Amino acid sequence: KAGVTQTPRYLIKTRGQQVTLSCSPISGHRSVSWYQQTPGQGLQFLFEYFSETQRNKGNFPGRFSGRQFSNSRSEMNVSTLELGDSALYLCASSAGTALAAGELFFGEGSRLTVL
Amino acid sequence: DQQVKQNSPSLSVQEGRISILNCDYTNSMFDYFLWYKKYPAEGPTFLISISSIKDKNEDGRFTVFLNKSAKHLSLHIVPSQPGDSAVYFCAASSRDYKLSFGAGTTVTVRA
Repeated sequence: KAGVTQTPRYLIKTRGQQVTLSCSPISGHRSVSWYQQTPGQGLQFLFEYFSETQRNKGNFPGRFSGRQFSNSRSEMNVSTLELGDSALYLCASSAGTALAAGELFFGEGSRLTVL
Repeated sequence: DQQVKQNSPSLSVQEGRISILNCDYTNSMFDYFLWYKKYPAEGPTFLISISSIKDKNEDGRFTVFLNKSAKHLSLHIVPSQPGDSAVYFCAASSRDYKLSFGAGTTVTVRA
Protein backbone atom coordinates (compact mmCIF):
# COMPACT_ATOMS: atom_id res chain seq x y z
CA LYS A 1 0.00 0.00 0.00
CA ALA A 2 1.09 3.57 -0.56
CA GLY A 3 3.27 5.17 2.09
CA VAL A 4 3.05 8.56 3.71
CA THR A 5 3.06 11.31 1.09
CA GLN A 6 4.26 14.82 1.78
CA THR A 7 4.03 17.82 -0.50
CA PRO A 8 5.84 19.87 -1.50
CA ARG A 9 9.20 18.12 -1.16
CA TYR A 10 11.21 21.33 -1.40
CA LEU A 11 10.32 24.96 -1.06
CA ILE A 12 12.02 28.29 -0.59
CA LYS A 13 10.37 31.20 1.16
CA THR A 14 11.47 34.58 2.46
CA ARG A 15 11.21 35.92 5.98
CA GLY A 16 7.74 37.06 6.92
CA GLN A 17 5.95 34.81 4.46
CA GLN A 18 3.78 31.89 5.45
CA VAL A 19 3.87 28.28 4.28
CA THR A 20 1.47 25.33 4.23
CA LEU A 21 2.70 21.75 4.10
CA SER A 22 0.52 18.78 3.32
CA CYS A 23 0.59 15.15 4.44
CA SER A 24 -1.43 12.16 3.31
CA PRO A 25 -1.14 9.25 5.74
CA ILE A 26 -1.12 5.56 4.98
CA SER A 27 -4.61 4.38 4.14
CA GLY A 28 -6.43 3.40 7.31
CA HIS A 29 -4.16 5.35 9.62
CA ARG A 30 -5.99 7.93 11.67
CA SER A 31 -3.08 9.49 13.55
CA VAL A 32 -0.79 12.05 11.94
CA SER A 33 2.20 13.59 13.72
CA TRP A 34 4.53 16.35 12.61
CA TYR A 35 8.20 16.68 13.50
CA GLN A 36 10.83 19.28 12.72
CA GLN A 37 14.36 18.08 12.01
CA THR A 38 17.30 20.46 12.21
CA PRO A 39 21.03 19.60 12.27
CA GLY A 40 22.15 18.55 15.74
CA GLN A 41 18.65 18.72 17.23
CA GLY A 42 17.15 15.47 16.14
CA LEU A 43 13.43 15.41 15.54
CA GLN A 44 11.37 17.85 17.56
CA PHE A 45 7.69 17.06 18.06
CA LEU A 46 5.28 19.67 16.71
CA PHE A 47 1.80 18.16 17.12
CA GLU A 48 -0.29 15.03 16.75
CA TYR A 49 -3.82 14.67 15.38
CA PHE A 50 -6.28 11.82 15.59
CA SER A 51 -9.70 11.94 13.99
CA GLU A 52 -9.40 15.69 13.44
CA THR A 53 -8.52 16.37 17.09
CA GLN A 54 -5.17 17.61 18.31
CA ARG A 55 -4.13 15.31 21.13
CA ASN A 56 -0.73 16.78 21.91
CA LYS A 57 1.35 19.79 20.98
CA GLY A 58 5.07 20.41 21.29
CA ASN A 59 6.90 23.49 22.53
CA PHE A 60 6.69 25.60 19.41
CA PRO A 61 5.38 29.17 19.12
CA GLY A 62 1.85 29.85 17.99
CA ARG A 63 3.13 30.60 14.47
CA PHE A 64 3.11 26.83 13.99
CA SER A 65 -0.35 25.38 13.55
CA GLY A 66 -1.93 22.33 12.04
CA ARG A 67 -5.16 20.62 11.28
CA GLN A 68 -6.50 17.29 10.17
CA PHE A 69 -9.33 16.63 7.79
CA SER A 70 -12.02 13.97 7.91
CA ASN A 71 -10.07 11.82 5.44
CA SER A 72 -7.09 11.92 7.87
CA ARG A 73 -5.02 14.12 5.59
CA SER A 74 -3.20 16.80 7.54
CA GLU A 75 -1.72 20.20 6.91
CA MET A 76 0.65 22.29 8.94
CA ASN A 77 1.09 26.02 8.58
CA VAL A 78 3.91 28.28 9.63
CA SER A 79 3.21 32.00 9.57
CA THR A 80 5.63 34.93 9.69
CA LEU A 81 8.56 32.76 8.72
CA GLU A 82 11.91 33.26 10.40
CA LEU A 83 15.35 32.14 9.27
CA GLY A 84 15.39 29.57 12.08
CA ASP A 85 12.36 27.82 10.62
CA SER A 86 14.56 26.38 7.89
CA ALA A 87 14.35 22.65 8.47
CA LEU A 88 13.09 19.34 7.25
CA TYR A 89 9.47 18.88 8.28
CA LEU A 90 8.48 15.26 8.66
CA CYS A 91 5.02 13.83 8.82
CA ALA A 92 4.35 10.42 10.32
CA SER A 93 1.24 8.29 10.47
CA SER A 94 0.09 5.40 12.61
CA ALA A 95 -3.08 3.63 13.63
CA GLY A 96 -2.95 5.82 16.73
CA THR A 97 -5.19 3.67 18.88
CA ALA A 98 -2.72 3.32 21.76
CA LEU A 99 -1.84 5.98 24.31
CA ALA A 100 1.83 5.38 23.75
CA ALA A 101 3.17 6.36 20.35
CA GLY A 102 4.49 3.19 18.83
CA GLU A 103 5.91 2.56 15.43
CA LEU A 104 5.48 5.61 13.24
CA PHE A 105 5.65 5.56 9.47
CA PHE A 106 7.38 8.65 8.14
CA GLY A 107 7.13 10.46 4.87
CA GLU A 108 10.18 11.74 3.03
CA GLY A 109 9.72 15.22 4.42
CA SER A 110 9.31 18.75 3.14
CA ARG A 111 12.57 20.69 3.06
CA LEU A 112 11.86 24.35 3.85
CA THR A 113 14.49 27.01 3.29
CA VAL A 114 13.81 30.52 4.58
CA LEU A 115 15.89 33.30 3.05
CA ASP B 1 15.11 20.26 27.24
CA GLN B 2 16.46 17.15 25.60
CA GLN B 3 14.98 14.15 27.39
CA VAL B 4 16.67 11.67 25.06
CA LYS B 5 20.37 12.04 24.44
CA GLN B 6 22.70 10.41 21.98
CA ASN B 7 26.10 11.68 23.02
CA SER B 8 28.05 10.27 20.09
CA PRO B 9 27.28 12.22 16.93
CA SER B 10 29.21 9.76 14.80
CA LEU B 11 30.57 6.22 14.75
CA SER B 12 32.92 4.59 12.28
CA VAL B 13 33.18 0.80 12.18
CA GLN B 14 34.77 -1.75 9.92
CA GLU B 15 32.55 -4.05 7.90
CA GLY B 16 31.87 -7.28 9.76
CA ARG B 17 32.51 -5.77 13.18
CA ILE B 18 29.98 -4.81 15.83
CA SER B 19 28.41 -1.34 15.93
CA ILE B 20 27.24 -0.18 19.35
CA LEU B 21 25.06 2.90 19.57
CA ASN B 22 24.16 4.39 22.93
CA CYS B 23 21.25 6.42 24.17
CA ASP B 24 20.40 7.93 27.56
CA TYR B 25 17.10 9.31 28.77
CA THR B 26 15.97 11.35 31.72
CA ASN B 27 12.20 10.89 31.85
CA SER B 28 11.25 7.97 34.08
CA MET B 29 7.77 7.96 32.51
CA PHE B 30 9.11 6.60 29.23
CA ASP B 31 7.90 3.03 28.81
CA TYR B 32 8.59 2.21 25.19
CA PHE B 33 11.79 2.74 23.24
CA LEU B 34 12.50 2.61 19.54
CA TRP B 35 15.36 2.95 17.10
CA TYR B 36 14.93 4.52 13.69
CA LYS B 37 17.30 4.55 10.75
CA LYS B 38 17.49 7.39 8.26
CA TYR B 39 19.16 7.60 4.88
CA PRO B 40 19.74 11.01 3.21
CA ALA B 41 16.67 12.39 1.42
CA GLU B 42 14.43 9.75 2.99
CA GLY B 43 12.22 9.72 6.05
CA PRO B 44 13.22 7.71 9.12
CA THR B 45 12.25 4.04 9.08
CA PHE B 46 11.50 1.94 12.12
CA LEU B 47 14.23 -0.53 13.04
CA ILE B 48 13.53 -2.17 16.39
CA SER B 49 11.78 -1.44 19.67
CA ILE B 50 11.68 -2.56 23.27
CA SER B 51 9.13 -2.27 26.02
CA SER B 52 10.17 -1.20 29.50
CA ILE B 53 9.17 -4.61 30.86
CA LYS B 54 12.01 -6.23 28.91
CA ASP B 55 15.76 -5.76 28.97
CA LYS B 56 16.60 -7.18 25.57
CA ASN B 57 15.00 -7.55 22.18
CA GLU B 58 16.63 -9.16 19.19
CA ASP B 59 15.74 -9.03 15.49
CA GLY B 60 18.26 -10.57 13.15
CA ARG B 61 21.47 -8.58 13.25
CA PHE B 62 19.94 -5.95 15.52
CA THR B 63 19.66 -6.20 19.30
CA VAL B 64 18.46 -3.50 21.66
CA PHE B 65 19.36 -3.58 25.35
CA LEU B 66 17.55 -1.59 28.02
CA ASN B 67 18.95 -0.76 31.46
CA LYS B 68 16.13 1.00 33.28
CA SER B 69 18.06 1.68 36.46
CA ALA B 70 20.69 3.53 34.45
CA LYS B 71 18.12 5.02 32.05
CA HIS B 72 20.26 3.77 29.23
CA LEU B 73 19.67 1.77 26.09
CA SER B 74 21.94 0.58 23.35
CA LEU B 75 21.64 -0.82 19.87
CA HIS B 76 24.03 -3.52 18.70
CA ILE B 77 24.45 -4.31 15.02
CA VAL B 78 26.33 -7.52 14.31
CA PRO B 79 27.87 -7.90 11.82
CA SER B 80 27.91 -4.37 10.41
CA GLN B 81 27.35 -4.09 6.68
CA PRO B 82 27.92 -1.19 4.25
CA GLY B 83 24.15 -0.75 3.88
CA ASP B 84 23.99 0.04 7.60
CA SER B 85 25.67 3.40 6.97
CA ALA B 86 22.96 5.86 7.99
CA VAL B 87 21.82 8.12 10.79
CA TYR B 88 20.31 6.25 13.73
CA PHE B 89 17.82 7.92 16.03
CA CYS B 90 16.86 6.71 19.47
CA ALA B 91 13.29 7.53 20.48
CA ALA B 92 11.18 7.11 23.60
CA SER B 93 7.49 7.23 24.32
CA SER B 94 5.33 7.90 27.31
CA ARG B 95 1.56 7.80 27.13
CA ASP B 96 1.12 11.13 25.40
CA TYR B 97 0.93 10.29 21.71
CA LYS B 98 4.40 11.53 20.85
CA LEU B 99 7.95 10.31 20.49
CA SER B 100 10.94 12.11 21.97
CA PHE B 101 13.99 11.70 19.76
CA GLY B 102 17.71 11.96 20.33
CA ALA B 103 19.89 14.05 18.04
CA GLY B 104 21.06 11.00 16.09
CA THR B 105 24.29 9.11 15.52
CA THR B 106 25.80 8.89 12.03
CA VAL B 107 27.19 5.42 11.42
CA THR B 108 29.77 4.85 8.71
CA VAL B 109 30.68 1.27 7.87
CA ARG B 110 34.10 1.02 6.23
CA ALA B 111 34.83 -1.72 3.73
